[in-house]
Amino acid sequence: AQSVTQLDSQVPVFEEAPVELRCNYSSSVSVYLFWYVQYPNQGLQLLLKYLSGSTLVKGINGFEAEFNKSQTSFHLRKPSVHISDTAEYFCAVRKGQNGNKLVFGAGTILRVKS
Amino acid sequence: EPEVTQTPSHQVTQMGQEVILRCVPISNHLYFYWYRQILGQKVEFLVSFYNNEISEKSEIFDDQFSVERPDGSNFTLKIRSTKLEDSAMYFCATEVSGQGTQYFGPGTRLLVL
Repeated sequence: AQSVTQLDSQVPVFEEAPVELRCNYSSSVSVYLFWYVQYPNQGLQLLLKYLSGSTLVKGINGFEAEFNKSQTSFHLRKPSVHISDTAEYFCAVRKGQNGNKLVFGAGTILRVKS
Repeated sequence: EPEVTQTPSHQVTQMGQEVILRCVPISNHLYFYWYRQILGQKVEFLVSFYNNEISEKSEIFDDQFSVERPDGSNFTLKIRSTKLEDSAMYFCATEVSGQGTQYFGPGTRLLVL
């Protein structure tokens, strides 16, 4: 079975500073990896995904993530955050593409301060 | 851009009552899912649905839960006799064959009193 660990429950950061949100996964099979963002009182929005190919993937709002198979990690980064990036970020994993469930991490709350 | 929609946005019900949560998938999507998020906890998978039948269900999805596509467009989650612990945000997600991305609706916040 797959599992996801998000090591930080909350990450406070000042505006325009860089940020990294950590995600590690465990799986006995090849997986696909996703980051979703949840703004207050809203649903889950896809930020980016890794299915295959280049291990560095770029998403919306200036975010990127790097798939590291040897370290079973998929950390999310942004070089300069804005106040509007304040939200909860979820890492998720699934085996295969169609029809398979997503397994989510516990989430990391990113708080951007001015 | 097409979106997954869910109704109602909020529902308050008494313990033991039946509730039906509705989802309208993106029109060409073939795979459907329900997830829930209890306040302060992680998003949990409930059930997946494809070709008019359940593909997979979690331990949470017991006999009190059911899903269907009653009219070929809506995708519903029914809880027959709600319990206090069913209070959560329920998310519908849908996916088109071959893309590998599940698109989530805005959720229904269910409160069982």
